[in-house]
Amino acid sequence: QKEVEQNSGPLSVPEGAIASLNCTYSDRGSQSFFWYRQYSGKSPELIMFIYSNGDKEDGRFTAQLNKASQYVSLLIRDSQPSDSATYLCAVNIPRSNYQLIWGAGTKLIIKP
Amino acid sequence: DAGITQSPRHKVTETGTPVTLRCHQTENHRYMYWYRQDPGHGLRLIHYSYGVKDTDKGEVSDGYSVSRSKTEDFLLTLESATSSQTSVYFCAISEIMAGSSYNEQFFGPGTRLTVL
Repeated sequence: QKEVEQNSGPLSVPEGAIASLNCTYSDRGSQSFFWYRQYSGKSPELIMFIYSNGDKEDGRFTAQLNKASQYVSLLIRDSQPSDSATYLCAVNIPRSNYQLIWGAGTKLIIKP
Repeated sequence: DAGITQSPRHKVTETGTPVTLRCHQTENHRYMYWYRQDPGHGLRLIHYSYGVKDTDKGEVSDGYSVSRSKTEDFLLTLESATSSQTSVYFCAISEIMAGSSYNEQFFGPGTRLTVL
């Protein structure tokens, strides 16, 4: 069974601190990893994509990928109240590149 | 923002009635998807399409059918709605280059369906 697992939260982080979100996946052949943000009542939107081991930075966001341990994480530096949302991890299905498997999401709350 | 619209945005219906949800895109993307989103389950794929008249089942396809007669439109039909199909339905689109695993999916605004 292909799975993507995330802690459902909520994860509460003080404003200005680093928020760390984690995701594990079961299929060792997966190659593409996505982080989407979803505000309450809205649709998901892509914030980070990573496919190589290591770190990828974009502004306050850093995605980290460790294929050997089969986990991908998202760090949000200098957290702002506007970062409060649910963060969804998605992973491609090998040999079916047009399908993604989604985690259930982690709800992040940034406290002022 | 990707040009994706869904209609209706909200619908309340009764058990046993047929329901059709429409997804319309103006991006000319080849791939289109229907997901449902329920608390604790994240996004679950119902059906997807990889071209006009080319569709396939996802992980939760029972009770649903789809059709794609034009590139821009992807219809999801609940033949006989049940209360378990109460959910938020999202349409998504993507365009994938040959040999690439990069599959950024763009989402429509969603349809909130309530089956009484």
